[in-house]
This record gives sequence, structure tokens and C-alpha cells, in this order.
Amino acid sequence: QSVLTQPPSASGTPGQKITLSCSGSRSNIGSNYVSWYQQLPGTAPKLLIYRNYQRPSGVPDRFSGSKSGTSASLAISGLRFEDEADYYCASWDDSLSGRWVFGGGTKLTVL
Amino acid sequence: QVQVQQWGAGLLKPSETLSLTCAVYGGSFSDHFWSWIRQPPGKGLEWIGDINQGGVTKYNPSLKSRVTISVDASKSQFSLKVNSVTAADTGVFYCARLKRYSRARDSLDVWGQGTRVTVSS
Repeated sequence: QSVLTQPPSASGTPGQKITLSCSGSRSNIGSNYVSWYQQLPGTAPKLLIYRNYQRPSGVPDRFSGSKSGTSASLAISGLRFEDEADYYCASWDDSLSGRWVFGGGTKLTVL
Repeated sequence: QVQVQQWGAGLLKPSETLSLTCAVYGGSFSDHFWSWIRQPPGKGLEWIGDINQGGVTKYNPSLKSRVTISVDASKSQFSLKVNSVTAADTGVFYCARLKRYSRARDSLDVWGQGTRVTVSS
């Protein structure tokens, strides 16, 4: 069972805007940065969002992140077929002497 | 452009020791943390632990008893050992840079290609 909670699946159609959620607690999201990762089938994860809402260079502005209290969200606008992937949120957790924690991941299907 | 490249044995028998190494090319080795992450087949990501240039480590409490992460800063390399592996350790192992920002762990911004490890008798 993951420390951060994500819905296991989500779906949308091309052009749509979709929002993926990530729920945590005061010891992780509530007091540390959130990052988001995209994992295409058979590949290593790729950083999409860091420090809650910052985008690395090369990541389209269709991807945006936000954080409020102990929850975070990843929004994808103008959905494309190539966005079909697994999405993971992550954060540092201050409990148990500190550890990096991931959400269980959301499988996004573009119909 | 920072890159990390990893290698190690991909097929192990139960009770053997898993050993992987990751080399860092470009960028500053000293400014960040260097992590190992694993992913069982069909499942999500699990952080194993990290190390800094000085050899200070942080481990996932769930794996701490069997895991050792070490560093060779002179070569910009870091390594993972997992003792007494079982079939439950089967999966893809990634090394990655855990970027430091103002003394905090920020994000995993550079990833290795992954090593598929299978534990089978």
C-alpha cells in the first residue's frame, strides 16, 4: 500500500482536459515538494513536474501541477494519444527518519 | 547534460546478492543525492534509498535490513547491493539523481535506463 494515494485509472478523449489527483498527509505533501512522473510502457519514468508546479525544459505547457494542503494534482490539457501512460506523484516524507515516497500510479487511457 | 548509466547481473538465484552500479556523466556529483528505485512487474515505483557524495545514506525502512548503497566519488559512481534475494525482488531497478534544492530532496530528474532483475531457481 502506497503512502501517497492515486486513483488506479483514468481516461479521456483527445483534446479533453483531465486532472489526476494525489493525496498524502502533513508529513509528506503537507510539508514537502511534490513531483510528477510519466512512464510510457517499457521505459524509465520521466520527470514532468517538480517543486509542485515547475516544468523541466522540454515538457509541454499542456502539463501543469498544483498543490493544496496535503493533496496535489496534475492537469493535462489538450489530451493526446501519446499521453497514454502511467503517472506517479512523489514527495519526501518526514516520518520514519525520512524517506522518498511514491503514489501507486494512475494508468491514463486516451480513448 | 547529465546522464546516468547502470549495469549489473540480471539473473540471480534465491539467497544470492543483487549487485548494480550506476555511473554519472556530466553535472555535479557532489551537489545531489543518488538514488535507487525498483519496480516489480506490473506494479508501481518503490524508492530503495539514496546516498550523497560523502557516503551518507538514507534507506527505505522496509528494505533497510538487506540493502547497502555505497559510493565511489572519485569515479562518480554509486552502487546497490541487496542481500538474500527472493522471487519478490524480481523487477526493474533504476538509478536516478535525486536533485537537491536548498538542502531538501526535490525530484528525481535524471534516470538510468533500468536493469531487469529476475530471481529464479
